Amino acid sequence: AQKVTQAQTEISVVEKEDVTLDCVYETRDTTYYLFWYKQPPSGELVFLIRRNSFDEQNEISGRYSWNFQKSTSSFNFTITASQVVDSAVYFCALSEADDYKLSFGAGTTVTVRA
Amino acid sequence: NAGVTQTPKFRVLKTGQSMTLLCAQDMNHEYMYWYRQDPGMGLRLIHYSVGEGTTAKGEVPDGYNVSRLKKQNFLLGLESAAPSQTSVYFCASSDDGLALDTQYFGPGTRLTVL
Repeated sequence: AQKVTQAQTEISVVEKEDVTLDCVYETRDTTYYLFWYKQPPSGELVFLIRRNSFDEQNEISGRYSWNFQKSTSSFNFTITASQVVDSAVYFCALSEADDYKLSFGAGTTVTVRA
Repeated sequence: NAGVTQTPKFRVLKTGQSMTLLCAQDMNHEYMYWYRQDPGMGLRLIHYSVGEGTTAKGEVPDGYNVSRLKKQNFLLGLESAAPSQTSVYFCASSDDGLALDTQYFGPGTRLTVL
């Protein structure tokens, strides 16, 4: 069963628009971690954020913000005032207690047009 | 610090050929991982290592072998390449594998098996 679902395959926006990427996860563990990674066209994976299951506070980092809601098992990511450099594939991932692997969603491709 | 590096960046193999992918990290991390990335599927864990001299199977280990003879290096081998192993391979490392630390990724190796 898919543990991390990113229902949006592709999103295209015009520069300066806001864009929200959805992530829904599934786990029976009470202790787990959620991540977002960015994969720009150059191909590397860039770590953006890690959030543990006991910390539901939303986080803002510059133009990036994350909304964690355990009640709906969601960890959504918003880019405010998008820029062309935000064009990338964004992955949401889950890591469960006592498990070494990251379970990745399929990714959402974001294209920001000038 | 170079972080996590991978060699080679690109490789084309014929079916049945063998090759080894090298991953090196200079962060003194205990844990290392090999993932493969296929279109529409995110990343999937192949093998991982919790320390020098140890290896373990991940989600999709068939057709691959690994070795961790030195703490800083993690090798991924394909003994008899198959077209189904055409993929982008990512190595990652972390300080603590039990979901307590972030995994940092290398730039990837694009492998094509003809």
